Amino acid sequence: EDQVTQSPEALRLQEGESSSLNCSYTVSGLRGLFWYRQDPGKGPEFLFTLYSAGEEKEKERLKATLTKKESFLHITAPKPEDSATYLCAVQAPNSNSGYALNFGKGTSLLVTP
Amino acid sequence: ETGVTQTPRHLVMGMTNKKSLKCEQHLGHNAMYWYKQSAKKPLELMFVYNFKEQTENNSVPSRFSPECPNSSHLFLHLHTLQPEDSALYLCASAKKSTNEKLFFGSGTQLSVL
Repeated sequence: EDQVTQSPEALRLQEGESSSLNCSYTVSGLRGLFWYRQDPGKGPEFLFTLYSAGEEKEKERLKATLTKKESFLHITAPKPEDSATYLCAVQAPNSNSGYALNFGKGTSLLVTP
Repeated sequence: ETGVTQTPRHLVMGMTNKKSLKCEQHLGHNAMYWYKQSAKKPLELMFVYNFKEQTENNSVPSRFSPECPNSSHLFLHLHTLQPEDSALYLCASAKKSTNEKLFFGSGTQLSVL
């Protein structure tokens, strides 16, 4: 069964204190790995897609990397506005609809001034 | 009005009530989705529609009944729900059902008493 595990469940950082979020996965025939950001009271917002091991994507203070078994979301010098829940999802072939996204439970990040 | 709009934002209903959730997307997408988000659980895919045709029903109980009259509108009809159905219901759209970049609405927070 396809699984996506995110760690830690919650993370508290001081402003400027860099860290990484982890997403480990077991899936047959990975088509892509995705990172979303979700603010309280809102739906998830797309951040990155990674397709193959060794690939990296960057956006402002965020950098996502991918290996054959896990992905990291590195946050460099975070600011309070980076506080949110970060969701990881993997896309694999699904017999019904073609391809489906399997989400992890998320990491809740709090950045304090 | 842009993106994906869901109404109502909050809904409280009794177990014998019948209510409907509405989703509208203004992105010209052809695929629409219903997801359920419960506390401490990953997002759960419920239904997928591609060009108005339902392509996925992820073993959802019959008390949830989706309707997709056109590519821009999606409904979720609710009847005789249970308290464990209380959750955030998220609508999403994508260019096509095999497209991993989902655009989410802000969700409807449902409480079943």
